[in-house]
Parts: sequence; structure tokens; C-alpha cells
Amino acid sequence: AQKVTQAQTEISVVEKEDVTLDCVYETRDTTYYLFWYKQPPSGELVFLIRRNSFDEQNEISGRYSWNFQKSTSSFNFTITASQVVDSAVYFCALRPISGGYNKLIFGAGTRLAVHP
Amino acid sequence: GAVVSQHPSRVICKSGTSVKIECRSLDFQATTMFWYRQFPKKSLMLMATSNEGSKATYEQGVEKDKFLINHASLTLSTLTVTSAHPEDSSFYICSARGRDRASGEQYFGPGTRLTVT
Repeated sequence: AQKVTQAQTEISVVEKEDVTLDCVYETRDTTYYLFWYKQPPSGELVFLIRRNSFDEQNEISGRYSWNFQKSTSSFNFTITASQVVDSAVYFCALRPISGGYNKLIFGAGTRLAVHP
Repeated sequence: GAVVSQHPSRVICKSGTSVKIECRSLDFQATTMFWYRQFPKKSLMLMATSNEGSKATYEQGVEKDKFLINHASLTLSTLTVTSAHPEDSSFYICSARGRDRASGEQYFGPGTRLTVT
């Protein structure tokens, strides 16, 4: 099965707190890509990161960091020192590459509310 | 680069009418475009995959006669909701796949909010 699970439906934090959004995926493929997208209230999906299955290096971009662990099939996303502008729905997505499978499989999303 | 536009951004129509939504890749050629539907507080559900010059591939459970997709050029795909009903009210998002096909990175449009009264 090809599946993405974001177990946290909603998270509420106070500004400046760190927050981690969990993402667990399932795939039979050995080659795949993982993505994170942000969807603010305006609705437009904002691309945050892409990671391929052969690159397990963690990545940091400003206040954002990602922890990819193939051993646990997880691709977690951490926001450090959260800000009100981080309030949005965050989606993790999987794209298996082998077999000509072109679809992006989205998780259910995690709604993050950052309060002042 | 890699900008995708959708038009209209919002549309309200009466039950029984048809609505056309356009998806354009503005600065790149998109051989493949995708149409998603998103209900309030839900995830994106892929409706169909559209390849330029060929018929769209619909996901299971999506009525192809109700959701007509045309991908006539490398920069334009259209979704027509025919005989719309209130249950078709939703947020429709398109995406276009860029040149780096291997990564599968998709560039998303801003979405179209359809309300059927």
C-alpha cells in the first residue's frame, strides 16, 4: 500500500515554541520522493521541501528543519521559534517513482495554530 | 519560475449549470496536469491526471462525464463541472508537473472555490 499518515490533526502552540509535525509513510517502492507543503488560509499550496529516498541527510532552512528516517519511514518537520504567520495546514506527501506511478499521495494534513 | 494560475478564483453558480475552470502554466510547458478536489478541513484528493493531447485518466469513483477535462495545449488544462449540484461545491486545485519528471515535483495553482446554490 502507498499511504501517508499525519496522526496529528491539530496542534496549538504559543508563539516562540518549537513544534514538530509528524509524517509516516508506507510504500513498497525503493525509490520515492517525499514532500511537505504549507496551505495558509488563502488556500494556495506552498512547496516547502522535496527529499528523495536516497538522501537521508537532515535539512535545515531558517526556522524549518526536516528529519528523514528510512528505518522508521518517517519524515518529520520541525518549526523552531514558531510565529503567528506559521499558522496553516501542513501536508506531507509521497510520490513513488518506480512503475510509472505519477501520483502525489497526500496525508490528511496537520492544522497548526500559533497563538500570540 | 514555475507559476501556475487558475481562473476563476471563486465562482458561484446555480444548480444544473456547468462551470469551467482553467489551469495555466505561465512560464513552463506542462505535459501533465493534475486536478484535485479538497473539501473543507480535508486533504487533497486526486481527481484525474491530464496529459496533453490525450484523454484524462480518472481516479476511481470520479465521474468522467461529470468532470470533463481537456488538456489541449502544453500550457492549458480545463475542468468543466457539468450539471453542477450543491454537493459539487468544493475547492478545486490544479497542478502541473515540471520538466524534472523524475522528482515528480508539481507546481500548484491557487485553487478555485466553487459554490453551487
